[in-house]
Amino acid sequence: EEQLLESGGGLVQPGGSLRLSCEASGFTFSTYAMSWVRQAPGKGLEWVSGISSRGSSAYYAESVKGRFTISRDNSKNSLFLQIDSLRADDTAVYYCAKFELYHSPGFVSWGQGTLVTVSS
Amino acid sequence: DIQMTQSPSSLSASVGDRVTITCRASQGIRNDLGWYQQKPGKAPKRLIYAASSLQSGVPSRFSGSGSGTQFTLTISNLQPEDFATYYCLQHNSYPWTFGQGTKVEIK
Repeated sequence: EEQLLESGGGLVQPGGSLRLSCEASGFTFSTYAMSWVRQAPGKGLEWVSGISSRGSSAYYAESVKGRFTISRDNSKNSLFLQIDSLRADDTAVYYCAKFELYHSPGFVSWGQGTLVTVSS
Repeated sequence: DIQMTQSPSSLSASVGDRVTITCRASQGIRNDLGWYQQKPGKAPKRLIYAASSLQSGVPSRFSGSGSGTQFTLTISNLQPEDFATYYCLQHNSYPWTFGQGTKVEIK
């Protein structure tokens, strides 16, 4: 069974930093692109960042460009999101998601999410 | 960036009704679009991929159509478990973008 398990969320002061992690199991992690998607309280889904299967290409939403850094360690089946210069509007549940590219394109598997709260 | 305009933002319907939700892309995205269902406190679940292909295990009352800039999700014979929020997502070009969401509520 495929599983994605996020961790690293918590309460952080404005201007602070966090590193989110997503541990994958049940599939060949190194062959799939991955993304982070967030959802602010009571709001809709927002795609935040994506990374290619080998980690050679990274993409960001305009709202996080320059502050967020996505990375992965295929030897550890892990995806990361480094979040710097946190702002109140970064408060959200952050989901990692596996992107199926070829047979049925889209986000097939999702984690349960990790909550990031930015507040003083 | 490609904007996805989803409508309506909410609707009220009864069990057994037929419901239609639309997404319009600000530029052509071929069929690089999926539909997702989300229930409170849960991760999204994919219903439709490639605009019109049904995800394995999803009931056949869900269907998708469209290509280019206009897309539709239809739920026929609405069931109690279908009351949720629905989102479209374009993955044609970065940054990928979701529609604003449609909350389907019980009338």
